Amino acid sequence: SQTIHQWPATLVQPVGSPLSLECTVEGTSNPNLYWYRQAAGRGLQLLFYSVGIGQISSEVPQNLSASRPQDRQFILSSKKLLLSDSGFYLCAAEQGIYEQYFGPGTRLTVT
Amino acid sequence: AQSVTQLGSHVSVSEGALVLLRCNYSSSVPPYLFWYVQYPNQGLQLLLKYTTGATLVKGINGFEAEFKKSETSFHLTKPSAHMSDAAEYFCAVSENYGGSQGNLIFGKGTKLSVKP
Repeated sequence: SQTIHQWPATLVQPVGSPLSLECTVEGTSNPNLYWYRQAAGRGLQLLFYSVGIGQISSEVPQNLSASRPQDRQFILSSKKLLLSDSGFYLCAAEQGIYEQYFGPGTRLTVT
Repeated sequence: AQSVTQLGSHVSVSEGALVLLRCNYSSSVPPYLFWYVQYPNQGLQLLLKYTTGATLVKGINGFEAEFKKSETSFHLTKPSAHMSDAAEYFCAVSENYGGSQGNLIFGKGTKLSVKP
């Protein structure tokens, strides 16, 4: 079975600073990968998904970007954080069609 | 476009009582449906899923859900609530049918409280 790691677990960053969140997957190869953001009372918002190395699809225009430099590595980045970027960021990997498994998440607070 | 509506952002039950969390969806094609559970400050854990076949699906921790096409519903139930069931529950529907990649559309979640 696959295991999804996210790093860091929590992060406090000032407005305007850069961001890099990492997601790595073990136990599977060539998974479809997803980044979600969860804000209080708003459910999960799909930010990016990737079906392979270097292939990124963006669901919501914003100041975030994603990259997939390796098969089992998915990175979420920003050059300049906004207050509205605060939230709980979840990485997920797809096992079988539509069945997604989630990492433990990163709590980001932008101050 | 597909969408998911979870009725009730908060549900409170007594320990031992029936748990019923409601989920309705809209989809132009037969969907795949999922329930996830999230404990505080953790990721989501898959409870159960419906793809095809039997409309009553059983999941982990004693939960089950029934796909009712005529009602476009996929309500989650558990006969007897336990304190450890207190968490947030998310219903999700597949966005694309077929193909090699499928996005999920999530409801806004229902927070379940269990009173002793």
